[in-house]
Amino acid sequence: ETGVTQSPTHLIKTRGQQVTLRCSSQSGHNTVSWYQQALGQGPQFIFQYYREEENGRGNFPPRFSGLQFPNYSSELNVNALELDDSALYLCASSQGLQETQYFGPGTRLLVL
Amino acid sequence: RKEVEQDPGPFNVPEGATVAFNCTYSNSASQSFFWYRQDCRKEPKLLMSVYSSGNEDGRFTAQLNRASQYISLLIRDSKLSDSATYLCVVPISSGSARQLTFGSGTQLTVLP
Repeated sequence: ETGVTQSPTHLIKTRGQQVTLRCSSQSGHNTVSWYQQALGQGPQFIFQYYREEENGRGNFPPRFSGLQFPNYSSELNVNALELDDSALYLCASSQGLQETQYFGPGTRLLVL
Repeated sequence: RKEVEQDPGPFNVPEGATVAFNCTYSNSASQSFFWYRQDCRKEPKLLMSVYSSGNEDGRFTAQLNRASQYISLLIRDSKLSDSATYLCVVPISSGSARQLTFGSGTQLTVLP
């Protein structure tokens, strides 16, 4: 296993609600990246956090936001949930910005 | 044009067969490439890295053709346990951030 953990494993929400997903990075890793994987697609980059700062963002609206804490764990927050937000949300940690990313098991979000 | 395009699949092959997956990428500045493996309802796991013309690891061979912006993955002597989705991944740097850009994946089923 990679040592990257995510919680919760599964989540069901309704449209318009807000959700917070959590990720604990592997020991020694200071960079966390978040990805969204819709059914039948490859993961898509949401954003990356390095030393508690957002360090890059993909093509996702501002209602997707995040945080990184001093222990390098991270949260992904999604406001005003839409049906299309239903997906597997993956976080990946790495030892630095350009290092290999190791994925956690993901959180499956279903928006009804 | 998508940044990373893969064979649509699915590939259904008998045990012991040799199978090859293709991937093309659009960013000519990319220097490194990866193949990830994703089992059903699991997270992606790094299978191979490709930094120069190619890489070999046991039954798996990855080749890179920079002029054609083309990457391939060859699996020899397929095992039942090779059944998975194979994701072609191209890291793209934006400033100091490094985002992994994934293809949609190619599904492989190895049949007994």
